[in-house]
Amino acid sequence: AQSVTQLGSHVSVSEGALVLLRCNYSSSVPPYLFWYVQYPNQGLQLLLKYTSAATLVKGINGFEAEFKKSETSFHLTKPSAHMSDAAEYFCAVRSSTSGTYKYIFGTGTRLKVLA
Amino acid sequence: GAGVSQSPSNKVTEKGKDVELRCDPISGHTALYWYRQSLGQGLEFLIYFQGNSAPDKSGLPSDRFSAERTGGSVSTLTIQRTQQEDSAVYLCASCSAGLNTGELFFGEGSRLTVL
Repeated sequence: AQSVTQLGSHVSVSEGALVLLRCNYSSSVPPYLFWYVQYPNQGLQLLLKYTSAATLVKGINGFEAEFKKSETSFHLTKPSAHMSDAAEYFCAVRSSTSGTYKYIFGTGTRLKVLA
Repeated sequence: GAGVSQSPSNKVTEKGKDVELRCDPISGHTALYWYRQSLGQGLEFLIYFQGNSAPDKSGLPSDRFSAERTGGSVSTLTIQRTQQEDSAVYLCASCSAGLNTGELFFGEGSRLTVL
């Protein structure tokens, strides 16, 4: 069964500092991997996705993630945090069984940006 | 519509009452998903529709929960005899038929409070 683990339910960084949010996955087949962001009282919005093309994926708002098969990781990074990055971030993996698709989400990481 | 629309945005009900939550997906999206988001619990998969059929309803927590989709469009999630532990945000997402992009588009959710 496929699964996603996000290490750290809360992460705090200073404005301008590197953002690193960790995600490890478990999958028996090449996965589709996603990062979503959720701002308060809103739905989830796609940041970026990995679909077996380039291992370094660039997304919106300056975020990027690198797929590392050997480490089964898909960590999200941003070189310089901005106050507007404060939100909750979810990593997800898409599993496929008999032509049906299920998206499995991690428990989320709440990012706090300190002035 | 332009995006996934959910109603009501907020619902307060008394324990034991039935509630219906509605999701109107993006036009042309044949796949539709329901998730439940509880504080600190991430997104819990409930049910997945492909067209009007539900090939995966494994996430429905009890027989008090049911969902249907008509005309390959609008979906309704019904919770009968609500309990306090049903309090959560219920998120709906839709995805295009080919699933080549793999991106889920989320609504803003229905916040359910059971008193």
